[in-house]
Amino acid sequence: GESVGLHLPTLSVQEGDNSIINCAYSNSASDYFIWYKQESGKGPQFIIDIRSNMDKRQGQRVTVLLNKTVKHLSLQIAATQPGDSAVYFCAEKKANAGGTSYGKLTFGQGTILTVHP
Amino acid sequence: NAGVMQNPRHLVRRRGQEARLRCSPMKGHSHVYWYRQLPEEGLKFMVYLQKENIIDESGMPKERFSAEFPKEGPSILRIQQVVRGDSAAYFCASSPNPSWSYEQYFGPGTRLTVT
Repeated sequence: GESVGLHLPTLSVQEGDNSIINCAYSNSASDYFIWYKQESGKGPQFIIDIRSNMDKRQGQRVTVLLNKTVKHLSLQIAATQPGDSAVYFCAEKKANAGGTSYGKLTFGQGTILTVHP
Repeated sequence: NAGVMQNPRHLVRRRGQEARLRCSPMKGHSHVYWYRQLPEEGLKFMVYLQKENIIDESGMPKERFSAEFPKEGPSILRIQQVVRGDSAAYFCASSPNPSWSYEQYFGPGTRLTVT
């Protein structure tokens, strides 16, 4: 079936290290991907997105890489800080037939990132 | 610019009661999505609405659940005759016209507990 999943459910890093969170997706029809950060008791917070016609996109301290050949998405966080500790979700949007483009998202299970000072 | 607002933040209901969850989208957004999150799981799509229209309700349970987004006022997710399995966090997200941007902005969620 169609799914978005993560390779590692937990990731622990030291402050200042770089973090890499991975995500596998199975739907080759997906045309848009987003990474969200969710802190305890809060709603998901947008981090960065990428469209399927790109393979890399950079933001402030974050980079998303998309490998469509192996259906793999990753989030790289540079110089990880304790405030980055949260659950990280990847989500995909499937391209819709008929030209419609509404943004129903399919979420992965999530990776817990813990940053130790 | 206020973000997506949801209320109540916490809701406790006894089995058989009704739960009404409200969502006010960001200013200028006319597209609303509802998602449900069980503990230690990702968000699951429930329904997508535009003003006065349900666009996609493929994730909604067939019974007891309904959603609306009237011309005036917030979007409402209504759960009738709640059962313990309805206990979850319910998140609302809004977006501008998805033809321009796919980005969805999430509210803080309503945590429903059914006792």
